[in-house]
Amino acid sequence: SQTIHQWPATLVQPVGSPLSLECTVEGTSNPNLYWYRQAAGRGLQLLFYSVGIGQISSEVPQNLSASRPQDRQFILSSKKLLLSDSGFYLCAWTPRENTEAFFGQGTRLTVV
Amino acid sequence: AQSVAQPEDQVNVAEGNPLTVKCTYSVSGNPYLFWYVQYPNRGLQFLLKYITGDNLVKGSYGFEAEFNKSQTSFHLKKPSALVSDSALYFCAVRDVFSKAGSYQLTFGKGTKLSVIP
Repeated sequence: SQTIHQWPATLVQPVGSPLSLECTVEGTSNPNLYWYRQAAGRGLQLLFYSVGIGQISSEVPQNLSASRPQDRQFILSSKKLLLSDSGFYLCAWTPRENTEAFFGQGTRLTVV
Repeated sequence: AQSVAQPEDQVNVAEGNPLTVKCTYSVSGNPYLFWYVQYPNRGLQFLLKYITGDNLVKGSYGFEAEFNKSQTSFHLKKPSALVSDSALYFCAVRDVFSKAGSYQLTFGKGTKLSVIP
């Protein structure tokens, strides 16, 4: 069966520090991968998606970037964090034939 | 463009009573529709989906949803609510034809369900 791993679960970082969140999927190949941010425990904002290695599409301009160095690995990064980057970050994947999305457990990022 | 509306920020229901969480959608083609549940500080868990076929879809934990094409709705229902059903519920839609083959889901803003003992 397929599983998705996302880490760390919580992170407290100072303003101006770098960020790296990692997500890996097991038990499947060629998944579509997604990074979402959830602010204030509510709506989901799609940040990035990827349909293949090295292929990244950004949905909103921001202080963040994403990379997909391997088929089942998706990384969310920032060179310098802002206070406004605080939030709950969720990684998700869908199969190529695509129906429902499967989510990781999320990372609670607090920028102080 | 595709969109989802969840008109209620919060729904309160007494334990044992039936519950309904509302969702309406807009897509240019045929929709794929989904419901997810989120518990505090956790990822979203898939509940059920409508792809094609029977308009009444049954999912996990006794939940079901009815697809109504004329009203563009996909309301989530459960005959008898449990206190443990208290959580945040998200409706999502995907157009059969999405840009760049990415098959993106569009989520509603979520409805907080509180089941009162």
